[in-house]
Amino acid sequence: GAVVSQHPSRVICKSGTSVKIECRSLDFQATTMFWYRQFPKKSLMLMATSNEGSKATYEQGVEKDKFLINHASLTLSTLTVTSAHPEDSSFYICSAIPSSGVESSYEQYFGPGTRLTVT
Amino acid sequence: ELKVEQNPLFLSMQEGKNYTIYCNYSTTSDRLYWYRQDPGKSLESLFVLLSNGAVKQEGRLMASLDTKARLSTLHITAAVHDLSATYFCAVDIVFGNEKLTFGTGTRLTIIP
Repeated sequence: GAVVSQHPSRVICKSGTSVKIECRSLDFQATTMFWYRQFPKKSLMLMATSNEGSKATYEQGVEKDKFLINHASLTLSTLTVTSAHPEDSSFYICSAIPSSGVESSYEQYFGPGTRLTVT
Repeated sequence: ELKVEQNPLFLSMQEGKNYTIYCNYSTTSDRLYWYRQDPGKSLESLFVLLSNGAVKQEGRLMASLDTKARLSTLHITAAVHDLSATYFCAVDIVFGNEKLTFGTGTRLTIIP
């Protein structure tokens, strides 16, 4: 089946520093990837759509200068939380949609998530 | 704005009992998904429902979709402890966009 990995799985950083989270599709190419955040005991909220070769599309209320997204290749998207603050602490989950020819072309495959703690 | 609501939000049930989780959404949908999430983990895909009247079953879980009523159900039969988790429905409303809007989640606890 389609596998998506995230790295790191957990990260603790100090307030004011930046953190990069990687999302990789391991056995398929993904033109489109999504980034979600989830607060404890809450649902997933879509942050942005990451498109290979073009700028990410951010959801309303998400600061694009704070959450930098780079979809550098068909298998890698990165989310950089810049100047992180404690309120950015959350569980960040990415998902990827196969470009073609793998499983269904609409189903999203989710990564295992990255837990960010900002102290 | 699309809204996706689930009820109940919390559900405690005894092993061996049956129950249903409901997912209502506010606008026409192309596809509806059900996911399971264990504490501290990411999402596990359970079902994808693509058309009105679709019904899918896997083990003790069965999902159905009524697009006219904008309602999906996740039915649990003879619950076992291993089914304890949070269940989310999600709706994809824009064909070719694949953006998902998630429901509020239902935290299910199965009591021995």
